[in-house]
Amino acid sequence: DAGVIQSPRHEVTEMGQEVTLRCKPISGHDYLFWYRQTMMRGLELLIYFNNNVPIDDSGMPEDRFSAKMPNASFSTLKIQPSEPRDSAVYFCASSLEPSGRFDEQYFGPGTRLTVT
Amino acid sequence: RKEVEQDPGPFNVPEGATVAFNCTYSNSASQSFFWYRQDCRKEPKLLMSVYSSGNEDGRFTAQLNRASQYISLLIRDSKLSDSATYLCVVNSDAGGTSYGKLTFGQGTILTVHP
Repeated sequence: DAGVIQSPRHEVTEMGQEVTLRCKPISGHDYLFWYRQTMMRGLELLIYFNNNVPIDDSGMPEDRFSAKMPNASFSTLKIQPSEPRDSAVYFCASSLEPSGRFDEQYFGPGTRLTVT
Repeated sequence: RKEVEQDPGPFNVPEGATVAFNCTYSNSASQSFFWYRQDCRKEPKLLMSVYSSGNEDGRFTAQLNRASQYISLLIRDSKLSDSATYLCVVNSDAGGTSYGKLTFGQGTILTVHP
């Protein structure tokens, strides 16, 4: 299996521009997660989906952020308009339906976003 | 108070040393506990789950103390390849519709030197 795939790997954009991050989860995984990692705040959960349905978006920082999952093999995280404080590494992760206590999440390689 | 707190380190140890990391969590209803490892500029990867009875995987031993809301990771006979950031992770929801809401600690940086 190719694992979780994210694109682009690096994105540099100017303040005010729209940014779209893409994720393909591992085939057969029921859950998809979007995280953001910064030095100051560490790794934070933004939103997660179960069977393409958003379950918890309480971590989405503000209305400038939106996420969609139109089908089981694709999700996007969009920032519009982008701001310098959005600069971070954005990870997508996926997992199977939990079995007992085991709910390992598999992370993609991340998208390193820089907003100037 | 942060939901998951770790000593950020850094820990600098020689090869062959034994090193221990600690972590505390604030939500007493937390059910699942993990240690993830993150190499520099890479994604986090599961190192091991943590069970109430304690569990061991080779040179790695994880312990959970629910009464004190405390998790530990012990690494014996450290290798150069163990150099990474170790993330303490807690599932902060006790079930219902909020499965999978993992809360990550800030991480503890470990450097193993020759």
